[in-house]
Amino acid sequence: DTAVSQTPKYLVTQMGNDKSIKCEQNLGHDTMYWYKQDSKKFLKIMFSYNNKELIINETVPNRFSPKSPDKAHLNLHINSLELGDSAVYFCASSQVVDGYTFGSGTRLTVV
Amino acid sequence: GNSVTQMEGPVTLSEEAFLTINCTYTATGYPSLFWYVQYPGEGLQLLLKATKADDKGSNKGFEATYRKETTSFHLEKGSVQVSDSAVYFCALRSNDYKLSFGAGTTVTVRA
Repeated sequence: DTAVSQTPKYLVTQMGNDKSIKCEQNLGHDTMYWYKQDSKKFLKIMFSYNNKELIINETVPNRFSPKSPDKAHLNLHINSLELGDSAVYFCASSQVVDGYTFGSGTRLTVV
Repeated sequence: GNSVTQMEGPVTLSEEAFLTINCTYTATGYPSLFWYVQYPGEGLQLLLKATKADDKGSNKGFEATYRKETTSFHLEKGSVQVSDSAVYFCALRSNDYKLSFGAGTTVTVRA
């Protein structure tokens, strides 16, 4: 069973569109995250939720909005997509001070 | 704030060579330290971790020792294989929920 699963794996879309990426974890972890990895492999945290409560909200454009319907799910909605949003987006989950478990990533390409 | 600095790549080695990737950190309190590995086209996997000073994390022939006096967590492997080709990330987690990553080091092992 996949511990952290995110869909879709690939997403190609035009500028100006609105898209969503879904993430689910079956580990029973309390905390979930979204990270963005740019073309140079640099990883930057975007958001984190703990038991459905937003606890980390880094400097991210308002076009990005996370939604956590329950502690096993954290979705990422992106409005008015721009070329610079092209990246790989990783979902992750963790429990207390353990390391994170990452999903396999969603490669977003905005054309 | 917390930060991680790791040796810039890319690093190219021959099979059976010795690998070292340097990692130093700046943090308040007593962070936990991690090494993650990202194989081509995949998400990040936890390679090893250490949660307190002088702890040694080890996995798959890789080792790293948490050195508080030098604020370091260098990754080593005595004899690399082609299958070790990947991007390696050093990371720390302090009292908040956030995992701060280094910039990543790309390692290529040639047969």
